[in-house]
Amino acid sequence: EIVMTQSPATLSVSPGERATLSCRASQSVSSNLAWYQQKPGQSPRLLIYGASTRATGIPARFSGSGSGTEFTLTISSLQSEDFALYYCQQSNNWPLAFGPGTKVDIK
Amino acid sequence: QLQLQESGPGLVKPSETLSLTCTVSGGSISSSRYYWGWIRQPPGKGLEWIGNIYYSGNTYYNPSLKSRVTISIDTSRNQFSLRLSSLTAADTAVYHCARAPDTGVIMDVWGNGTTVSVSS
Repeated sequence: EIVMTQSPATLSVSPGERATLSCRASQSVSSNLAWYQQKPGQSPRLLIYGASTRATGIPARFSGSGSGTEFTLTISSLQSEDFALYYCQQSNNWPLAFGPGTKVDIK
Repeated sequence: QLQLQESGPGLVKPSETLSLTCTVSGGSISSSRYYWGWIRQPPGKGLEWIGNIYYSGNTYYNPSLKSRVTISIDTSRNQFSLRLSSLTAADTAVYHCARAPDTGVIMDVWGNGTTVSVSS
């Protein structure tokens, strides 16, 4: 089974600044990596799949990169609505696995 | 617009079996283009994938839960269901259902989630 880790656990960023979130897989998942955003009291929302493809309706300020075991989610200029939890998920093998999440909060 | 809605008891006793249903509206659960899945989130914790099912009934489960989980599909009612047996307090969580397109390995549409507490 593949284990996912994320860093940092919490990222404090000022509005308008860039945020960089990291995700690591315990073994290669090729480019089969998804990112989700979750706000308090809401269900997760798919942001990125295939490591770098934005889901429908996701703003261009969200971008994903990486392959193999190392991945990055970048939010180019944080808006107020972007302060949330972010999870990565490997989609290469069954069983599917999520990372523990990174909380992006206001600095 | 596709919508998913979870339903089931909010409180169950330890050792009992949880049964949840996800009702799909605005689209057909019988489509060969999608899998359907369950994911849970304990209070204050992260997401845990439980399992996915295809319209044909083919299933994939999380090995950590496999001995206690059954996911089934009822295409006539446009619903799929989760049964989780031998409950303990550790199964207390928000349970989400979701749609998983193509190969079923990402979840692109989620229900609102239903809170389940395991307590005597």
